[in-house]
Amino acid sequence: GQNIDQPTEMTATEGAIVQINCTYQTSGFNGLFWYQQHAGEAPTFLSYNVLDGLEEKGRFSSFLSRSKGYSYLLLKELQMKDSASYLCAVRDGSGGYQKVTFGIGTKLQVIP
Amino acid sequence: GAGVSQSPSNKVTEKGKDVELRCDPISGHTALYWYRQRLGQGLEFLIYFQGNSAPDKSGLPSDRFSAERTGESVSTLTIQRTQQEDSAVYLCASSPQTGGQETQYFGPGTRLLVL
Repeated sequence: GQNIDQPTEMTATEGAIVQINCTYQTSGFNGLFWYQQHAGEAPTFLSYNVLDGLEEKGRFSSFLSRSKGYSYLLLKELQMKDSASYLCAVRDGSGGYQKVTFGIGTKLQVIP
Repeated sequence: GAGVSQSPSNKVTEKGKDVELRCDPISGHTALYWYRQRLGQGLEFLIYFQGNSAPDKSGLPSDRFSAERTGESVSTLTIQRTQQEDSAVYLCASSPQTGGQETQYFGPGTRLLVL
């Protein structure tokens, strides 16, 4: 099975930087995803990591350490529209499947 | 359209009735997932289809829940004898054949309310 932990809520100021952490335990790690979900909407893809290191995409960056079972999502130059839930998801390739399991999500509130 | 579609978008039913939810994945996507999301909660994995392999049903909460998929096309999620606790948004996602990044593309969801 898989165990994915991330903080339930965070608050940050417009224009600032925020880091959302995710730790996981899985027997057959095969990739980690970050999704953004605005209230009442479906999740949308943000980033993907399968190797250790930092992936940068505009204002968003994602980091992975497989040995530590740890990832973070870094959001720079925060905007009000970044207020949303951020979901960490891990793919497990054990048993011949490629199941993706989501964490509960971190609800980020950006304040002026 | 090019995205994942789900129907109905909203469903209100009475306790004890059966409901069937439909998902049309993106053409060519071999993997299909069903999730449940209760109000204010995270995504709860239900079932996963990958090509012609046996589906991973480990997330189905009870034998009242079942799902089918014909080949690499439409999938239906059936809930029998619905209970009020089944009220949630049911999300479907599809992704291309495994071997790379395989981002999941989500449909808009079906909002189910059991009275």
